[in-house]
Amino acid sequence: KNQVEQSPQSLIILEGKNCTLQCNYTVSPFSNLRWYKQDTGRGPVSLTIMTFSENTKSNGRYTATLDADTKQSSLHITASQLSDSASYICVVSRPPQKLVFGTGTRLLVSP
Amino acid sequence: DGGITQSPKYLFRKEGQNVTLSCEQNLNHDAMYWYRQDPGQGLRLIYYSQIVNDFQKGDIAEGYSVSREKKESFPLTVTSAQKNPTAFYLCASSIHDDRNNYGYTFGSGTRLTVV
Repeated sequence: KNQVEQSPQSLIILEGKNCTLQCNYTVSPFSNLRWYKQDTGRGPVSLTIMTFSENTKSNGRYTATLDADTKQSSLHITASQLSDSASYICVVSRPPQKLVFGTGTRLLVSP
Repeated sequence: DGGITQSPKYLFRKEGQNVTLSCEQNLNHDAMYWYRQDPGQGLRLIYYSQIVNDFQKGDIAEGYSVSREKKESFPLTVTSAQKNPTAFYLCASSIHDDRNNYGYTFGSGTRLTVV
């Protein structure tokens, strides 16, 4: 079954600390993997997108990694800020043109 | 500014009523989509449209209807046949039916509550 599993479900970290969110998927075939940030009550905003040939992609303090062999991805947030408090959603694209969404990790950055 | 506008932000519906959620985009995107988001679940596709006057059912189309009379607009009607309509609804658009690539933009969402 095509699924995207994210861990942890929720996470609390202190401002300024780093954290890593995990995404495991069983989607096959695979086109690309995306990470989105969703603020409460808002729509998701794209952070990174990687094809199977890419191992890492950065967007400011956000760095995503992808291991297509083990079907795992991670999103690393460096020097967290209060504005990083949000849900982070992993999305895997499966041809033909099907998106499979994870349930998200809810991150709270505490002052 | 280019983007997707969803309205209203909050909507309350009585049992047995139909309600329509608005989605407008000025990105000149060909494809538009409606998703439903429930707590603890990933987004689920309701309907999508690749071109004007054409649309396809997604994974959970029962109890919903759409129209695509203009490229910019893709309204969603939640009918009384939808058994559990309380949810957060997200509209998205992309170039062509290009769910594999960049250019996939979400609106800010409409929270629908049945009272």
